[in-house]
Amino acid sequence: DTAVSQTPKYLVTQMGNDKSIKCEQNLGHDTMYWYKQDSKKFLKIMFSYNNKELIINETVPNRFSPKSPDKAHLNLHINSLELGDSAVYFCASSQPTGSDTTNEKLFFGSGTQLSVL
Amino acid sequence: GQNIDQPTEMTATEGAIVQINCTYQTSGFNGLFWYQQHAGEAPTFLSYNVLDGLEEKGRFSSFLSRSKGYSYLLLKELQMKDSASYLCAVHNFNKFYFGSGTKLNVKP
Repeated sequence: DTAVSQTPKYLVTQMGNDKSIKCEQNLGHDTMYWYKQDSKKFLKIMFSYNNKELIINETVPNRFSPKSPDKAHLNLHINSLELGDSAVYFCASSQPTGSDTTNEKLFFGSGTQLSVL
Repeated sequence: GQNIDQPTEMTATEGAIVQINCTYQTSGFNGLFWYQQHAGEAPTFLSYNVLDGLEEKGRFSSFLSRSKGYSYLLLKELQMKDSASYLCAVHNFNKFYFGSGTKLNVKP
């Protein structure tokens, strides 16, 4: 069974459209994330949720709206898509361990390649 | 701000040893992680360091010097399947800050 699964894997759409990417994890983790990887392969955090509550919003345009219906799901909705939104979006999860980070590694989904035309 | 630097690309020969360096300047530090990412795939965890020193894990080892803001990943007995990008990430409170990755090309 896939630990972190996200759909769709590929998303091709026109500028101005609205689209959603879904993510689910079956690891029982409390924290989920959205990362954006640009053409230079730079992975940048967008959002982080802990047990359904937003804890990190890294100055992402408000056209991006994450939603966490429960701690196993974190979806990303994008309004009015722009050319610059083209990238690979990765969902990830981890289990916070307080001061001990030894087990707090990230588990990534397989990514969604978004192409805005 | 957070700054994590890695070489963009490296090439090495099958069977050889390669060292990928990472330097960082971050406002906080809870640990340093290395991830491997094959083209078109998700990053997968390789190793982590919280304290100074060398952590060995089979063909892969990772070193950390917190005072120097420096880490390296050492890959021994290189195999063709090791051709991938290697991402250095600093864990700071609730966030992971990633470098842009080092693309490793392993040639026969």
